[in-house]
Amino acid sequence: GDSVTQMEGPVTLSEEAFLTINCTYTATGYPSLFWYVQYPGEGLQLLLKATKADDKGSNKGFEATYRKETTSFHLEKGSVQVSDSAVYFCALNPYAGNNRKLIWGLGTSLAVNP
Amino acid sequence: DVKVTQSSRYLVKRTGEKVFLECVQDMDHENMFWYRQDPGLGLRLIYFSYDVKMKEKGDIPEGYSVSREKKERFSLILESASTNQTSMYLCASSPDSKGGYGYTFGSGTRLTVV
Repeated sequence: GDSVTQMEGPVTLSEEAFLTINCTYTATGYPSLFWYVQYPGEGLQLLLKATKADDKGSNKGFEATYRKETTSFHLEKGSVQVSDSAVYFCALNPYAGNNRKLIWGLGTSLAVNP
Repeated sequence: DVKVTQSSRYLVKRTGEKVFLECVQDMDHENMFWYRQDPGLGLRLIYFSYDVKMKEKGDIPEGYSVSREKKERFSLILESASTNQTSMYLCASSPDSKGGYGYTFGSGTRLTVV
């Protein structure tokens, strides 16, 4: 069945370091892909998304490219800040027509030190 | 902006109590979801609803029930709270028609059962 695998955390970086959080997926159709972020004590917020192959989603300096050939959607940021400390979730929607059942990765915790 | 509002940020209840967690969304979304989030286990789907008065079990429905009497409101009920239901509970909603939309989450309710 459909699934999402993301790298285990925690990831600890110094401020201004380069960030990559790996996400790979298994899906039979043409899924949409998402990254969500959860700040401490909060719910999840949509960070970026891509709905078809080769699309690049971007927001707040974060980017991810939908790679169908490698079934990946890795999250990157060139220079992280302390305020980026959060848990990041990769997710896929296997259905083009609705948003009924997102499939979630387990989340990757990021801590950025000053 | 779409808003999903959970009635309480923090709740403390006693073992055996009946607990109601309320969730309201204001964007006329068809789909609503209840998740619980525990360290190391990611997001686990409890129940979801695609329409008024309809509900479907998710991955961990035992010990929970739900109610959706109006489109905007989706309630999670713990029939007899137990300590192993201490968790962060997240409500989400999504439109049925736009496959790449994803979910909008509430801020979460952190429930402690003592």
